[in-house]
Amino acid sequence: KAGVTQTPRYLIKTRGQQVTLSCSPISGHRSVSWYQQTPGQGLQFLFEYFSETQRNKGNFPGRFSGRQFSNSRSEMNVSTLELGDSALYLCASTDMTGLGSGANVLTFGAGSRLTVL
Amino acid sequence: AQSVSQHNHHVILSEAASLELGCNYSYGGTVNLFWYVQYPGQHLQLLLKYFSGDPLVKGIKGFEAEFIKSKFSFNLRKPSVQWSDTAEYFCAVTPNSGGYNKLIFGAGTRLAVHP
Repeated sequence: KAGVTQTPRYLIKTRGQQVTLSCSPISGHRSVSWYQQTPGQGLQFLFEYFSETQRNKGNFPGRFSGRQFSNSRSEMNVSTLELGDSALYLCASTDMTGLGSGANVLTFGAGSRLTVL
Repeated sequence: AQSVSQHNHHVILSEAASLELGCNYSYGGTVNLFWYVQYPGQHLQLLLKYFSGDPLVKGIKGFEAEFIKSKFSFNLRKPSVQWSDTAEYFCAVTPNSGGYNKLIFGAGTRLAVHP
């Protein structure tokens, strides 16, 4: 069973540019969530999508956006990049809805490491 | 707001030493609790989880954790560490219902095990 696939794995951008990151969840998983990992702030929740709907959003500016397609693949976009956006962006998927009490164990991808110069 | 506190940011141990990493969370309701591990150069992996039932849960590679509800704690333990346990360990929490798969992570603990 293939894991969570994130592309690209590494990318370098300059301030002011925008970037799009892609995530392919495990087959059958309908929930995809995104996290930002930095040395200073640790792992922070960005947003979560389930069946193409954003259900939850973390405390990030509007420059951070995402979407999910009908095949559950997800993309996140960061516009007008700032130096502080340099981070490892992790995608995670699960087959659980997260609504009831249940095993919402997330499986993480390897991440996309973004460097903003 | 929910939060997770990990007491130690860096821990250095010799092989065969015992390990205990502290984790406390703040949330008034019922929660699901997790420990994830990130080995050098690898992706985040689930170490163990607690949803309900026996508060002592066992995970992979000989790790275990104990949920103490009265203390809002979920400490990770291993009786005898190995060099291969060198990694960063993250405690995480999500509400038991309606959490929408949103994990709140602690800041992480970097463990270095010396041979």
